[in-house]
Amino acid sequence: AQSVTQLDSHVSVSEGTPVLLRCNYSSSYSPSLFWYVQHPNKGLQLLLKYTSAATLVKGINGFEAEFKKSETSFHLTKPSAHMSDAAEYFCVVINQGAQKLVFGQGTRLTINP
Amino acid sequence: DTGVSQDPRHKITKRGQNVTFRCDPISEHNRLYWYRQTLGQGPEFLTYFQNEAQLEKSRLLSDRFSAERPKGSFSTLEIQRTEQGDSAMYLCASSLPAGNTGELFFGEGSRLTVL
Repeated sequence: AQSVTQLDSHVSVSEGTPVLLRCNYSSSYSPSLFWYVQHPNKGLQLLLKYTSAATLVKGINGFEAEFKKSETSFHLTKPSAHMSDAAEYFCVVINQGAQKLVFGQGTRLTINP
Repeated sequence: DTGVSQDPRHKITKRGQNVTFRCDPISEHNRLYWYRQTLGQGPEFLTYFQNEAQLEKSRLLSDRFSAERPKGSFSTLEIQRTEQGDSAMYLCASSLPAGNTGELFFGEGSRLTVL
């Protein structure tokens, strides 16, 4: 079965500094991977997705992620954090057979002024 | 607003009572999903529909849970004889058919508190 592990439950960075949220995946075949973001009192929103095309994927709000098969990783990065980036971030893999998303446990991103 | 809407947003009930949540998906989306999210955890899949057909149910969906989508539009999730362990955020999402695999549009959720 496909699964993802988010390596940090909480990440805190200062505004203007880089963001790195780490995710490792487990899959018996080439997976489709996603990052979703959940702002307080808002619905989950898709940030970006990898579906076996380019390994470097660009998403909304300046975020990007790199698929590294050798490391089974799909880390999310942003060069410069903004206060509005404070939210919960979920790494997600899709179960191809059932078309259902399998979520990681989430990483809470805090931005310090 | 043409996003996914859920009702009610908050529900407090006593143990043993029945509760029902409603989800209205984006109108052209034929897939509808229910997820459950407990505090500090990622959402867990419960069930999904393609049109009115319920195609998969998770083992998390005990016999006290039932979901319907009678006309392929809105969906309801009913929990009978609620238990304190049912306290969670219940999320609904919708999507276009498989050509857009993985991009789900989520509602803001219905938070259930069982006392």
